[in-house]
Amino acid sequence: DGGITQSPKYLFRKEGQNVTLSCEQNLNHDAMYWYRQDPGQGLRLIYYSQIVNDFQKGDIAEGYSVSREKKESFPLTVTSAQKNPTAFYLCASISRDRGSEAFFGQGTRLTVV
Amino acid sequence: QKEVEQDPGPLSVPEGAIVSLNCTYSNSAFQYFMWYRQYSRKGPELLMYTYSSGNKEDGRFTAQVDKSSKYISLFIRDSQPSDSATYLCAMGNTGGFKTIFGAGTRLFVKA
Repeated sequence: DGGITQSPKYLFRKEGQNVTLSCEQNLNHDAMYWYRQDPGQGLRLIYYSQIVNDFQKGDIAEGYSVSREKKESFPLTVTSAQKNPTAFYLCASISRDRGSEAFFGQGTRLTVV
Repeated sequence: QKEVEQDPGPLSVPEGAIVSLNCTYSNSAFQYFMWYRQYSRKGPELLMYTYSSGNKEDGRFTAQVDKSSKYISLFIRDSQPSDSATYLCAMGNTGGFKTIFGAGTRLFVKA
């Protein structure tokens, strides 16, 4: 089955640690995105990538980093510089063939302990 | 001004009611319009997808797009408790990869 897989589903981070969230897709989509969602809030764009080895900052990129070494993979690192990382993180890919339709993973819930 | 405006609610209705959810947008280049449904602690899933202006119906759901007014709507007929979720509008344009999302409206359907 084609889709987007995010792992882990739940992640706990200690103060000062970097953690990496995984996002893998087998939909052959060029564009991939990371969003952050806080309780009762909409989706805020962290980073996006339209092609391998290239990515762009979104609206709230500070304290986050990404890489895009393979078309299928777009991992997100939450660094210690991100002061309020507790949130629900969603990865998505967008189909050019179906004009802007976004496909989402099931999300990773990150909690600082 | 945000590119997409959506009232976050919450919106609470009795079972069987007709629900109307709306978004306004500012970019006239948008051509693709979508509604996503998101259950708590899950990823959003595509509910309706429309291109340009007009109506699209799928079961109890109807999506309307009015490009002249830059206004889109989602109607839910005979609402059910299982419709309780957050509904996000989204839009994009041809050749562009970037899809813009509304803030989402939280809907509660009471049995």
